[in-house]
Amino acid sequence: EAGVAQSPRYKIIEKRQSVAFWCNPISGHATLYWYQQILGQGPKLLIQFQNNGVVDDSQLPKDRFSAERLKGVDSTLKIQPAKLEDSAVYLCASSLEGSQPQHFGDGTRLSIL
Amino acid sequence: AQSVTQPDIHITVSEGASLELRCNYSYGATPYLFWYVQSPGQGLQLLLKYFSGDTLVQGIKGFEAEFKRSQSSFNLRKPSVHWSDAAEYFCAVGAGYQKVTFGTGTKLQVIP
Repeated sequence: EAGVAQSPRYKIIEKRQSVAFWCNPISGHATLYWYQQILGQGPKLLIQFQNNGVVDDSQLPKDRFSAERLKGVDSTLKIQPAKLEDSAVYLCASSLEGSQPQHFGDGTRLSIL
Repeated sequence: AQSVTQPDIHITVSEGASLELRCNYSYGATPYLFWYVQSPGQGLQLLLKYFSGDTLVQGIKGFEAEFKRSQSSFNLRKPSVHWSDAAEYFCAVGAGYQKVTFGTGTKLQVIP
């Protein structure tokens, strides 16, 4: 089966600009996660979707980060405006449902200048 | 709040030598414990998990881990390391597969 697809793989922007990441989960997977992985740290959950509804966004900096999962399939994560501390790898993962193992994409590496 | 500590940031082992990566956790209830591996430029892959039952769990790629409740530990082991095992390893604790908290990772270097 095809894995979790993410794009772009790399993105370089200047601070205060906006950026968007895209994730296509494994077909049929109802649960989708976005993680932020800062260099030297483990992944931190930003938001979890169940179909097109938000299950957990408690660690999402809502003043600058937003995410949507229209139609319960693809998802986009947006940062506007970006700050230097947003430099990280953004990982998307999906699972059949929340009680099932997560499958991770290869991530988008974001560098803020 | 749940937390995971991986005390070793970086470990170097010789190919063919045994490996043990340490993990300590803090969790208010019965923990669900995981080990993931991340190769450079890639996402995380689940190596093994402990939910309940036998405290010695077997995973993929010849890895195993032992849950010790008295020590709040879940150390990862492999009897003979291969060069392809060089990667970063993350221990994690959660409520099932959800609300997972990851440790800061241990980077494994394998020398010939």
